[in-house]
Amino acid sequence: LAKTTQPISMDSYEGQEVNITCSHNNIATNDYITWYQQFPSQGPRFIIQGYKTKVTNEVASLFIPADRKSSTLSLPRVSLSDTAVYYCLVGEGPGSGNTGKLIFGQGTTLQVKP
Amino acid sequence: GAGVSQSPSNKVTEKGKDVELRCDPISGHTALYWYRQSLGQGLEFLIYFQGNSAPDKSGLPSDRFSAERTGGSVSTLTIQRTQQEDSAVYLCASSPRPGGGLSGGARYEQYFGPGTRLTVT
Repeated sequence: LAKTTQPISMDSYEGQEVNITCSHNNIATNDYITWYQQFPSQGPRFIIQGYKTKVTNEVASLFIPADRKSSTLSLPRVSLSDTAVYYCLVGEGPGSGNTGKLIFGQGTTLQVKP
Repeated sequence: GAGVSQSPSNKVTEKGKDVELRCDPISGHTALYWYRQSLGQGLEFLIYFQGNSAPDKSGLPSDRFSAERTGGSVSTLTIQRTQQEDSAVYLCASSPRPGGGLSGGARYEQYFGPGTRLTVT
């Protein structure tokens, strides 16, 4: 059974770097890993996406090891406004092709404190 | 430009009644997704449309759930004979390109609507 897991919650302080790891041991061979941010009463919002190695944009970095069975979202210098739930999203396998369902992790609630 | 819109924003219904939830995707977006988010839970994938076709309907929770998309645009999620366990926020998302496969994959950024909060009493 496909399993995508993340820590349920994390606490941090303003200005710190936050790293959230998602395990996705059944990711489809040719699918990507995408991370979303969700605020209360809103739909999720795209943060970053990658296939392998490292991707960086203006808000985050994404680290993906060679086996692609996990990924780590890195938020540099978080602020209070980064308090939200963060989800990883992958397409599950098996094997080659993205023939399975989309699987969201259960979400990591990040609480940034002043 | 206009984002993904969903209607109604809130729906309260009695157990056993049918409900229809509507999604208006971003104009020109080929792919459309439906998810369910129960209180305090993550997102559960329900169904994906590539154009007007849904390659796989097995993500729908039961045969009381159905979905359609017409004209490559508006989509409707219908729940028949609603049950209390159907209470959740139903989210719709669209994407400019279909990712292929049965679920569209995570390849292309999805733009989410605000959701419809369904309460079954």
